This record gives sequence, C-alpha cells and structure tokens, in this order.
Amino acid sequence: NAGVTQTPKFQVLKTGQSMTLQCAQDMNHNSMYWYRQDPGMGLRLIYYSASEGTTDKGEVPNGYNVSRLNKREFSLRLESAAPSQTSVYFCASSGRQGSVYGYTFGSGTRLTVV
Amino acid sequence: GQQLNQSPQSMFIQEGEDVSMNCTSSSIFNTWLWYKQDPGEGPVLLIALYKAGELTSNGRLTAQFGITRKDSFLNISASIPSDVGIYFCAGVNYGGSQGNLIFGKGTKLSVKP
Repeated sequence: NAGVTQTPKFQVLKTGQSMTLQCAQDMNHNSMYWYRQDPGMGLRLIYYSASEGTTDKGEVPNGYNVSRLNKREFSLRLESAAPSQTSVYFCASSGRQGSVYGYTFGSGTRLTVV
Repeated sequence: GQQLNQSPQSMFIQEGEDVSMNCTSSSIFNTWLWYKQDPGEGPVLLIALYKAGELTSNGRLTAQFGITRKDSFLNISASIPSDVGIYFCAGVNYGGSQGNLIFGKGTKLSVKP
C-alpha cells in the first residue's frame, strides 16, 4: 500500500545516546516533514524538506538534524538525546493526490529518553 | 508565530449525538484541513477546504472554511462509537504542493460512561 513508512516504531535511549529515525514515502511527493507530538501540544514541526536537496528548520529544530537522502527518504537524527526529546515523532509527505493537496502521515515512532 | 485555537479540548459523546468543534487563527490560511488520529496511529485526513465560505461533507462529517479565512468548524452528525479519537484542525498556506501545516492542539472525543 502507498504511504509513509517510519522505523523504528518504538525506541528507548539513554541520555546522551544518538539515533536516527528513518522515513520513506512511495507517493513521489516532493515535500517531507518531521513533527513531534507531546500531550496537550498538538503536532509541532521540527524540520521540513520542500524538495530533494533542501532542508529548513521548523518551529522546534534544536537538538535535531535531518538529511533528505533522496526523493523518497528523509531521516531525523538526535545526536545527543535528552529527556525533553521524549515524544512521539511523525514523518509526513505532501503532494497532490488527485484533486487534493494533502499530507500523509506515518504511524509514528515512540521515543523515550531515560 | 501562527497559532490555532481549537475548542473544545475534550468532549464526551453519546451514540447518536451531533458533535461540533471549531478552530480559530490569528492569521489567514488558504487551506484548512481536518484530521483524525486513532490511538497509536498517525493523523488521517478527513476533509480539505480550499476556498473561503466552502462547505464540504464526507459522510457524516461536514466542515466549513470561514469567510474571514481565519476559522473553520467540523460537525459530526449522529455519532457512533468509532468516532472516538482526537480531531485536529490544521491551517496551511500552500505554494504549489508545499506548505507547512500549523496544527491546533486537538479535540479529544470520548464515549460517555
């Protein structure tokens, strides 16, 4: 099925450890995004990539880096994890789907930093 | 930065009731979107609105794009148990096929005990 695939689904890190969250989409969308979701805060944009080869900061970029590896893949890296980065992370892509411009979200990565 | 105020934060529904929720913004958008999120899943698009004043339905769901372009509402008629979840409004100013969504904080629908 077409969509956005995120890995891993769950992860526990110790403070200071690093990890990369992977995201891939097969809808030929140009734009991809990383959001974090915290209780009562909705979804907040971390970084986005409007097209292959470009990345830009969103609302909450501190502590994160991203790589747009190719049109399909957009990864999010935590270089030195902190407890404040405990959250659910969603990757999304956007593009035209028929007559609708829409976002498609992955099912999320639940990250706990202890 | 842009902010969306979504209300109510939570509500309890009884099967068969109609439900209303709304979103207001301090700035205008050219597109309003409504999403539903089930536990353990990512948000799923319910309705997209592209024109001020537009009223769009998707089954029992109806949403409207406010005339001022700063607000939108979502109605669910004759609610059923599977309507339970978190509903998010989102505003975006698309340029081509790219735009950054600004999300409301969500309305959590639960079943009345």
